[in-house]
Amino acid sequence: KAGVTQTPRYLIKTRGQQVTLSCSPISGHRSVSWYQQTPGQGLQFLFEYFSETQRNKGNFPGRFSGRQFSNSRSEMNVSTLELGDSALYLCASSPETGAIYEQFFGPGTRLTVL
Amino acid sequence: DQQVKQNSPSLSVQEGRISILNCDYTNSMFDYFLWYKKYPAEGPTFLISISSIKDKNEDGRFTVFLNKSAKHLSLHIVPSQPGDSAVYFCAASAYNQGGKLIFGQGTELSVKP
Repeated sequence: KAGVTQTPRYLIKTRGQQVTLSCSPISGHRSVSWYQQTPGQGLQFLFEYFSETQRNKGNFPGRFSGRQFSNSRSEMNVSTLELGDSALYLCASSPETGAIYEQFFGPGTRLTVL
Repeated sequence: DQQVKQNSPSLSVQEGRISILNCDYTNSMFDYFLWYKKYPAEGPTFLISISSIKDKNEDGRFTVFLNKSAKHLSLHIVPSQPGDSAVYFCAASAYNQGGKLIFGQGTELSVKP
């Protein structure tokens, strides 16, 4: 099976712009989670989507949003970019709906905000 | 509020010896724990996991131990190999939190030949 894919891999934006990142989960996986990784804060949970519905949300401002399509592909959007949004954005997919399941990560999108 | 903590940012071990990576957590609602390995410019790769109903889980050279009373888990790698050099993240999940993993800050393991 192909792994989780994320596009684009690298992105440079300026403050105030908005950005959309895309994630294609492993075939058959219905849960998609997004994480932000920065040197200071580590890996932080943004949100999770399952069957096109946001199931969990982390502690990020409303500028961060996401959605999931019927084919389980997901996008996340960041509006009004700030310098502090520069980070590696990771997407992970999971096959199960139960309490115990592992997440499989994509390679990430490196976002740089100038 | 750091719910999952890895207090050692780095660890250096000789090839062939045991590597022990530690992780502490504060949230008693966590019921599933995972270890991930990460190389630069790549996403984390799942290594091994353990449910809170167990105290040990083994997979080849990797063993995870869970001490619920101390809210502590550890990852043992025996024997350590140079290819194990990477950043290791501990993560935790609670039953009612679905696909939300809470990660520690990571420990950079260096295995020297």
